[in-house]
Amino acid sequence: AQSVTQPDIHITVSEGASLELRCNYSYGATPYLFWYVQSPGQGLQLLLKYFSGDTLVQGIKGFEAEFKRSQSSFNLRKPSVHWSDAAEYFCAVDSWGAAGNKLTFGGGTRVLVKP
Amino acid sequence: NAGVTQTPKFRILKIGQSMTLQCTQDMNHNYMYWYRQDPGMGLKLIYYSVGAGITDKGEVPNGYNVSRSTTEDFPLRLELAAPSQTSVYFCASTPQGEANTGELFFGEGSRLTVL
Repeated sequence: AQSVTQPDIHITVSEGASLELRCNYSYGATPYLFWYVQSPGQGLQLLLKYFSGDTLVQGIKGFEAEFKRSQSSFNLRKPSVHWSDAAEYFCAVDSWGAAGNKLTFGGGTRVLVKP
Repeated sequence: NAGVTQTPKFRILKIGQSMTLQCTQDMNHNYMYWYRQDPGMGLKLIYYSVGAGITDKGEVPNGYNVSRSTTEDFPLRLELAAPSQTSVYFCASTPQGEANTGELFFGEGSRLTVL
């Protein structure tokens, strides 16, 4: 069965500093990978996704992620964090098949931004 | 465009009571999902549907029921509420076929407390 691990439950970062969120997955086939962000009291919004091709993918809000098959990782990065990036971030893998997209989520990483 | 709308946003139930969480989407999406979110656990799939009249169990279906009589609506029923069902529930949808980019569109969530 597929699974997703986000090792860091909380991360605190200063505004303007760089941010990296870790994600490791377990999946038997070629994975479809996603990062979603959840602002307080809101639903989830897609940041970026990886299906195939270039292993470095760009997303919204200045985020990027790198797929490393050898490490089963899909880490999310942002060079300079803004206070509005304080949120919870979820990595997910998709068992995309004939029965529709079914995401398996990691436990999430909550990001706090210090002024 | 309203997207995915969930009601109610908040609800407190007593043990043994029943209720229905409503979910409706106006994007003509065939695929719809119900997830529950618990702290540190990410989101877990409860039920999903690939079209009107078709539903199937996800990872954590026990204690819940769903129906899908129309493309727009996908209600989630709790028959005998238990404290273990205290959670935040998210409904999501995505289109079928070529319009499917893999992205799920989420509602804002329904926070349920069972006392």
